[in-house]
Amino acid sequence: RKEVEQDPGPFNVPEGATVAFNCTYSNSASQSFFWYRQDCRKEPKLLMSVYSSGNEDGRFTAQLNRASQYISLLIRDSKLSDSATYLCVVRAGGTSYGKLTFGQGTILTVHP
Amino acid sequence: NAGVTQTPKFQVLKTGQSMTLQCAQDMNHEYMSWYRQDPGMGLRLIHYSVGAGITDQGEVPNGYNVSRSTTEDFPLRLLSAAPSQTSVYFCASSYSASNSPLHFGNGTRLTVT
Repeated sequence: RKEVEQDPGPFNVPEGATVAFNCTYSNSASQSFFWYRQDCRKEPKLLMSVYSSGNEDGRFTAQLNRASQYISLLIRDSKLSDSATYLCVVRAGGTSYGKLTFGQGTILTVHP
Repeated sequence: NAGVTQTPKFQVLKTGQSMTLQCAQDMNHEYMSWYRQDPGMGLRLIHYSVGAGITDQGEVPNGYNVSRSTTEDFPLRLLSAAPSQTSVYFCASSYSASNSPLHFGNGTRLTVT
């Protein structure tokens, strides 16, 4: 089983739609969680960290469920500029403390 | 602000050649790492380091060596390039605190013929 797995996608949604991505992780000792965005195979850029109580940044909401070992990203009122690949990232704890592992990414296309 | 500096941006090698991808950061980050990205595969961890003098293997370490003699530098060495190592390589660093995100270099596009 992969350490971090994401929805396979791709997601193709109209402008204004709400879309959600999930990501599961296998290491219960994982320390911290992030969502990154990547455009056209440029370097990934941090979208938001994911906090235990859930957090929101404008149209973006991230949630963490430690019991079920998944994180989610919700995008409301999608814009054309949201088209990108979204990557979840998990920082390991335990014997692999510090190691950051990426999911394979979910492609989002927002169309007019 | 230099951040994470990766060189070269592009490289073409012949099978069997060796080379070193350079990565340097000026943010005093303890954690540094190398990833490769192939179509449909996401970013896969090659090697990582949690501090000077400490390195560990990631998901796909075979064919690559690393060392961390200083906090700033984390070079990735390809010992004998193979076509399967054709990929985009990213170096990334962060503070070791668990909630610190990764900062990425601009990437190196490597082609092995």
